[in-house]
Amino acid sequence: AQTVTQSQPEMSVQEAETVTLSCTYDTSESNYYLFWYKQPPSRQMILVIRQEAYKQQNATENRFSVNFQKAAKSFSLKISDSQLGDTAMYFCAFTYTGANSKLTFGKGITLSVRP
Amino acid sequence: DTGVSQNPRHKITKRGQNVTFRCDPISEHNRLYWYRQTLGQGPEFLTYFQNEAQLEKSRLLSDRFSAERPKGSFSTLEIQRTEQGDSAMYLCASSLRTAAGYGYTFGSGTRLTVV
Repeated sequence: AQTVTQSQPEMSVQEAETVTLSCTYDTSESNYYLFWYKQPPSRQMILVIRQEAYKQQNATENRFSVNFQKAAKSFSLKISDSQLGDTAMYFCAFTYTGANSKLTFGKGITLSVRP
Repeated sequence: DTGVSQNPRHKITKRGQNVTFRCDPISEHNRLYWYRQTLGQGPEFLTYFQNEAQLEKSRLLSDRFSAERPKGSFSTLEIQRTEQGDSAMYLCASSLRTAAGYGYTFGSGTRLTVV
């Protein structure tokens, strides 16, 4: 069974600074995908960034980038130039190609951006 | 395309009553997923459809839960004889079959409170 672990329940960052959210996972699969989702308060969950396991290059999306360490089964999210709108819960998630796209989520981390 | 729509947004019910939630996915998405999210936790998989076929059900989906997707369009999730432990956010998501590695589009969820 696949597991996703987010060990930090909460983090806080000053506006315009950089913050890194940690995630580790466990799987015996070789072909899989990793995701970070953002869930603002009382709003729907949206996809922030995705990483394909067979790609060594770390994914980037504007201010968001990941540090994907396949051997260590680590997938952290870096948010640069933090903005107040980044305040949300962030979930790390995993799926593998044989899983019918079923996502396994971590418990999430609450990120607060301070003005 | 208005995204994934879920109704109602909130539902308060007395213990023992039946409730039904509706999800309207993005029209061209043939996969539809139901997840349950309790406070402070990540979403947990309940069930998934490809077109009208229900292809997988989690052990979390007890006999009191039933889901349908007639004609492969909208889906309903019914909970019979609700219990306080059913209180949670119920999330619906959809995706294209060929987009397994691209994540889902989520709805805003239905928050169920059983009193």
